[in-house]
Amino acid sequence: KAGVTQTPRYLIKTRGQQVTLSCSPISGHRSVSWYQQTPGQGLQFLFEYFSETQRNKGNFPGRFSGRQFSNSRSEMNVSTLELGDSALYLCASSLDRETSGVLTFGAGSRLTVL
Amino acid sequence: QKEVEQNSGPLSVPEGAIASLNCTYSDRGSQSFFWYRQYSGKSPELIMFIYSNGDKEDGRFTAQLNKASQYVSLLIRDSQPSDSATYLCAVKGSSASKIIFGSGTRLSIRP
Repeated sequence: KAGVTQTPRYLIKTRGQQVTLSCSPISGHRSVSWYQQTPGQGLQFLFEYFSETQRNKGNFPGRFSGRQFSNSRSEMNVSTLELGDSALYLCASSLDRETSGVLTFGAGSRLTVL
Repeated sequence: QKEVEQNSGPLSVPEGAIASLNCTYSDRGSQSFFWYRQYSGKSPELIMFIYSNGDKEDGRFTAQLNKASQYVSLLIRDSQPSDSATYLCAVKGSSASKIIFGSGTRLSIRP
């Protein structure tokens, strides 16, 4: 059974650019959550999607957005990149909202902003 | 006050001893509590979870909840060097299903 797949694994951008990250959840999982991980702040919740709808959102500026498709795959976008956006972005999937804490994480997309 | 707080460590425990990890949470209505383990350079993986109705034991791991004091603990018996990792506590709040993580406790098991 394939795990959570995130692409790209590594990327380097410059300030002001935008980036799109992709996440394919485990087959059958319908809930997808995104987290930002940095050494100083730990795992910060970005958003959660279920049935193509954003169900929860963390305390991040509007430059961070996401969406979920009918096949449960999800993308997140960060516009007007800032140096502070350099981080590991982790996607996690769960079966449904009731088991939303039982998360399986992908390997992450490491973003470096220069 | 952070929603979920953990001592960052490092917590150093001799091999074979019991490692005790704690986290406190601010939302008194929280219903579900999770412990994740993250090895260096890897993604978090779920170790175990408990609901507000009781403790849980799974092999060498025991998760305990103290609702009155709003803290959750993870006990690791017979600690092994392979248990050396960062342990993340996560809490599911009462009003929404978002999962909030603590900043993690780094555990080191010394031979």
